[in-house]
Amino acid sequence: AQTVTQSQPEMSVQEAETVTLSCTYDTSESNYYLFWYKQPPSRQMILVIRQEAYKQQNATENRFSVNFQKAAKSFSLKISDSQLGDTAMYFCAFVTSGTYKYIFGTGTRLKVLA
Amino acid sequence: SQTIHQWPATLVQPVGSPLSLECTVEGTSNPNLYWYRQAAGRGLQLLFYSVGIGQISSEVPQNLSASRPQDRQFILSSKKLLLSDSGFYLCAWSGDPSSPLHFGNGTRLTVT
Repeated sequence: AQTVTQSQPEMSVQEAETVTLSCTYDTSESNYYLFWYKQPPSRQMILVIRQEAYKQQNATENRFSVNFQKAAKSFSLKISDSQLGDTAMYFCAFVTSGTYKYIFGTGTRLKVLA
Repeated sequence: SQTIHQWPATLVQPVGSPLSLECTVEGTSNPNLYWYRQAAGRGLQLLFYSVGIGQISSEVPQNLSASRPQDRQFILSSKKLLLSDSGFYLCAWSGDPSSPLHFGNGTRLTVT
């Protein structure tokens, strides 16, 4: 079965500091796509970053970057210069190219402290 | 540009009553459509997805059902709601499996 595990239910970080959210996944497929989503208190799901499994280079989007370790099936999200607006639930997800099922983890609740 | 509409935003229904949540997508054709449920403090559980009109894949056997009567319309239904059906329901679409999911604003369902 394809699964996503986020082992940190809650985390906190001081404003302007850096925090890393962990995500591991399990699939037997070799071609897939990985995503991080942010869900602020409004509950709107917002795409943070996308990674293609066949690309070695880690994706970056401004203050957000990933550490993609394909062999270890790990896809962690690093948030640099944390801001109060980063306070949200963060979900890791992936989809294989042969299916249409986007599988999500249970999420990590991140609180940025002033 | 593409947009997704989901309604209603909030719903309170008694146990045993029917349910109908609707979702429509604009600005694209033949989208892949999805229904997820998020229980309080939990992750997103995939309920149904559809890759075309009349094609529905069910991930969780329960008293919910889904239909896709038109290309860009996706409906989540129940004949008789249970207390355990309470949660936050999200509709989403994608263009293909390499694309990210785009979500609606969600429906908060409370079954009393």
